[in-house]
Amino acid sequence: SAVISQKPSRDICQRGTSLTIQCQVDSQVTMMFWYRQQPGQSLTLIATANQGSEATYESGFVIDKFPISRPNLTFSTLTVSNMSPEDSSIYLCSVAPSGNDEQFFGPGTRLTVL
Amino acid sequence: GIQVEQSPPDLILQEGANSTLRCNFSDSVNNLQWFHQNPWGQLINLFYIPSGTKQNGRLSATTVATERYSLLYISSSQTTDSGVYFCIGSQGNLIFGKGTKLSVKP
Repeated sequence: SAVISQKPSRDICQRGTSLTIQCQVDSQVTMMFWYRQQPGQSLTLIATANQGSEATYESGFVIDKFPISRPNLTFSTLTVSNMSPEDSSIYLCSVAPSGNDEQFFGPGTRLTVL
Repeated sequence: GIQVEQSPPDLILQEGANSTLRCNFSDSVNNLQWFHQNPWGQLINLFYIPSGTKQNGRLSATTVATERYSLLYISSSQTTDSGVYFCIGSQGNLIFGKGTKLSVKP
């Protein structure tokens, strides 16, 4: 299993600003995943973050809007840039540490953009 | 791509009742998990169950991989069981269902 923490747990931000979300894992993992969950919806994969290389973004998500850092094997950040009310969502990071695709999620960051 | 259908989409129970949630896949998946998203948004792992049956307290799950479905049983439901239940399949990427929203009334 994996213990994952995220900071902040929630935030209320003004449009046009940026917020950086941190994700910390208690063990080294090759890949970390970032998801967005819009209100009342299921989860959508934003990008996959590998240590030592550029993140891989899913269709509809771009690096300028969601820059990701992965400085080591236990930590990653996701920045939501130039926010608008449509970015109001829960953002979650996840890992699959066991090599069998079993996924573990962080507690999420609930973002509200005014 | 692979589609995941969860049923029912919404369910209201009286405390103490039993329920069965279902997850159907349009094609085979390598692995399957059930999660509970509590009202605070946290996703809690319930079962990692690519096939067979597992039980954990009042919850149990069965996956019939050859028929591409999985069932989650909740017995003697409690108000703390409220939230959204997701099944998630894996075939390279994760494939998410839309969830079953469960409300347990006291």
